[in-house]
Amino acid sequence: EAGVTQFPSHSVIEKGQTVTLRCDPISGHDNLYWYRRVMGKEIKFLLHFVKESKQDESGMPNNRFLAERTGGTYSTLKVQPAELEDSGVYFCASSQDLPLGGSTDTQYFGPGTRLTVL
Amino acid sequence: AQTVTQSQPEMSVQEAETVTLSCTYDTSESDYYLFWYKQPPSRQMILVIRQEAYKQQNATENRFSVNFQKAAKSFSLKISDSQLGDAAMYFCAYRRWRDNAGNMLTFGGGTRLMVKP
Repeated sequence: EAGVTQFPSHSVIEKGQTVTLRCDPISGHDNLYWYRRVMGKEIKFLLHFVKESKQDESGMPNNRFLAERTGGTYSTLKVQPAELEDSGVYFCASSQDLPLGGSTDTQYFGPGTRLTVL
Repeated sequence: AQTVTQSQPEMSVQEAETVTLSCTYDTSESDYYLFWYKQPPSRQMILVIRQEAYKQQNATENRFSVNFQKAAKSFSLKISDSQLGDAAMYFCAYRRWRDNAGNMLTFGGGTRLMVKP
């Protein structure tokens, strides 16, 4: 079974440009999460999709970030226009949906996209 | 809001020896999950071990075990018989009990573990 994949692995852009990151979750996983680690700090939550719907986008830093998950499969995260402080590693994770009951759903992570804004 | 703290930015251990990585957290909730994730230099982050807060028994996975002290809000990871392949960044993470507010993970800052041959 293929794991979570992310593309590109590394992106270098100039301030003001646009970048789109892609995440392909594990097949059948309804839950998709975006996280990022900036400047060696903690990994921070950005948002959570359940299928194509945004369940929680409380971690999105500002309106320069736009996430989509059309069709409930892969997701894209667009940064427009990119700023210097957006540099970091962007992780995607996916998990299965579980019936109500409180069982944990392990989140499987992709390798991340390292974004460098010059 | 929940916070997770890993006070050791770097640790080193001799191959075949035992090392313990520290993690403390702050929460007002009584039910939650705790995790240790490992990120080797190849960057794919993988789950090492998880603990449900309602379970008193400490979780173990082969050479990996935790010391979960709920009252002290401490969740340390012990790696026994360390191997070269254990060298990685280790992240401690917290997750609320499943509810409609979402399933996000709250991470600590990470501990870089080096294993000396």
